[in-house]
Amino acid sequence: QKEVEQNSGPLSVPEGAIASLNCTYSDRVSQSFFWYRQYSGKSPELIMSIYSNGDKEDGRFTAQLNKASQYVSLLIRDSQPSDSATYLCAVNLGGDMRFGAGTRLTVKP
Amino acid sequence: GAGVSQSPSNKVTEKGKDVELRCDPISGHTALYWYRQSLGQGLEFLIYFQGNSAPDKSGLPSDRFSAERTGGSVSTLTIQRTQQEDSAVYLCASSFLSSGRGETQYFGPGTRLLVL
Repeated sequence: QKEVEQNSGPLSVPEGAIASLNCTYSDRVSQSFFWYRQYSGKSPELIMSIYSNGDKEDGRFTAQLNKASQYVSLLIRDSQPSDSATYLCAVNLGGDMRFGAGTRLTVKP
Repeated sequence: GAGVSQSPSNKVTEKGKDVELRCDPISGHTALYWYRQSLGQGLEFLIYFQGNSAPDKSGLPSDRFSAERTGGSVSTLTIQRTQQEDSAVYLCASSFLSSGRGETQYFGPGTRLLVL
């Protein structure tokens, strides 16, 4: 079992819809969780970090964390074509950061 | 402010040659990481430096790979006797403090390495 798992996609949503990206992790002691966005040919950039159970909202982005179920998700409301990218989930596994393989999102106009 | 910088941005080399990749982290960041990303793949951890501690080399794929960090700032990743399978984007990231490797990492633009 991989330490951090993401559906590789591609995930395709129409413009204006909600995109839901999911990530599961293996280590119950994980404390820090991150979502990075990576455009094709570019380096990853941080979108959000979340440390506590529940929801954290930042503009059109909402991160959701459920430590009991060991998953973290990212919701993108009012999706735009400019949101088309690969989204990487990163988890601090007992002090050691691990990245998922990423989910490729396409937002169609 | 200045972000993480890497050089060169692109490198084409012949199989068997040595290459050096440079990373200049964000000023004040004590932790520095190297990753490798092959086309369409996720991030593969290579090595991690934290302050003056011994680096975590657990991700280096072979003894042809080495890295150093001088003065707690600039880092150089060296690949000796390059092979075609070394072709990838090499990403450097830095973060402020680190109790492990869980803090937010800020990535450089990467070096695209092509081994012919």
